[in-house]
Amino acid sequence: GAGVSQSPSNKVTEKGKDVELRCDPISGHTALYWYRQSLGQGLEFLIYFQGNSAPDKSGLPSDRFSAERTGGSVSTLTIQRTQQEDSAVYLCASSLVGGRETQYFGPGTRLLVL
Amino acid sequence: GDSVTQMEGPVTLSEEAFLTINCTYTATGYPSLFWYVQYPGEGLQLLLKATKADDKGSNKGFEATYRKETTSFHLEKGSVQVSDSAVYFCALPGSSNTGKLIFGQGTTLQVKP
Repeated sequence: GAGVSQSPSNKVTEKGKDVELRCDPISGHTALYWYRQSLGQGLEFLIYFQGNSAPDKSGLPSDRFSAERTGGSVSTLTIQRTQQEDSAVYLCASSLVGGRETQYFGPGTRLLVL
Repeated sequence: GDSVTQMEGPVTLSEEAFLTINCTYTATGYPSLFWYVQYPGEGLQLLLKATKADDKGSNKGFEATYRKETTSFHLEKGSVQVSDSAVYFCALPGSSNTGKLIFGQGTTLQVKP
């Protein structure tokens, strides 16, 4: 595709519900990253995929957060039992390969937990 | 560990003023350095980058020079426009081989006509 796409663009959910956020990276990019942007914490790394495997999950804030990637392409970030502190913009980025290549970001999913 | 420090914002300038946004970093070795920009209501966009010491990245009239002596990558523009109003983030890849980006806290720039 022309760029990284994410869906939904906005999500409002009730505390305790599960949510799934989707990322479609640039075609041919093997590396995929999830970040979170929140008012109090700035931009934080969550997880890195190389192909379908996730060698770095160090940024996931709790075991309520998980992510998968299938076919070396689309990735889904799942947040279980959402809490109000999960409210943030979730950004996905991809790059040609992992390491120090330029990352290209999607528009983000704005999550609001009521 | 690796880190990035940006000057506090917001920065408010009049149109055609000179802009400097300071960025300093702590890192192992000599990583690539990036400036990303986030316009109101939009996602992060790569503004410019430099891959080695003394390199100068430039784009849209913005420039930044990779200075290893001062561990800095300050963003400059000679004459800002209202359309440059945005949040600017300095970033570098973390020390692991994953390339996960470490961002500064962001600097909000507001340019007034």
